[in-house]
Amino acid sequence: AQKITQTQPGMFVQEKEAVTLDCTYDTSDQSYGLFWYKQPSSGEMIFLIYQGSYDEQNATEGRYSLNFQKARKSANLVISASQLGDSAMYFCAMRETGPGANSKLTFGKGITLSVRP
Amino acid sequence: DARVTQTPRHKVTEMGQEVTMRCQPILGHNTVFWYRQTMMQGLELLAYFRNRAPLDDSGMPKDRFSAEMPDATLATLKIQPSEPRDSAVYFCASRLARNTGELFFGEGSRLTVL
Repeated sequence: AQKITQTQPGMFVQEKEAVTLDCTYDTSDQSYGLFWYKQPSSGEMIFLIYQGSYDEQNATEGRYSLNFQKARKSANLVISASQLGDSAMYFCAMRETGPGANSKLTFGKGITLSVRP
Repeated sequence: DARVTQTPRHKVTEMGQEVTMRCQPILGHNTVFWYRQTMMQGLELLAYFRNRAPLDDSGMPKDRFSAEMPDATLATLKIQPSEPRDSAVYFCASRLARNTGELFFGEGSRLTVL
């Protein structure tokens, strides 16, 4: 069974600084994908970044990068140059991607990030 | 601007009433999901469909919940009878069947059962 763990209860970061949000996962599958979503106070779920288990490079999307450490089964999200609008809940998620894999996306409990001016 | 559309956005009802939530997935997306979000449980997968066929509804209380896709442009989630513990935000999401595609979420339906 897939499992996503996000244990940080809440994170604070000063505006313009970088912050790392932790995510560890557990799966017996060799082929999987890791996702990060942002949920601001308005409630919508916004896709941020994707990392495939066979990708050799860490994924980057603008100010977002994913620190993928396969042996440690971690997929931490790094936000550089934090902005006030980054204050939100952040969810890590995983899905099997091999042949015959189901489409389920399993989410962690989420981490609250607050950016201080 | 393609998006997943959910109705209603907010619903307040009394215990025992029937609730129906609707979702229009993004045109061309053939995999549709229903998630429920609560403070205690986080995001839970209730059910999902591929090409309108239900693939997994193991996360859904079978006695009161039902999910259907009458056609490719409409997914419904029905609760009958509703209970206070069903109060949550219900998200619909869709994607293409390719393995690396991200989920596109609707804005959610916030349900309050009194």
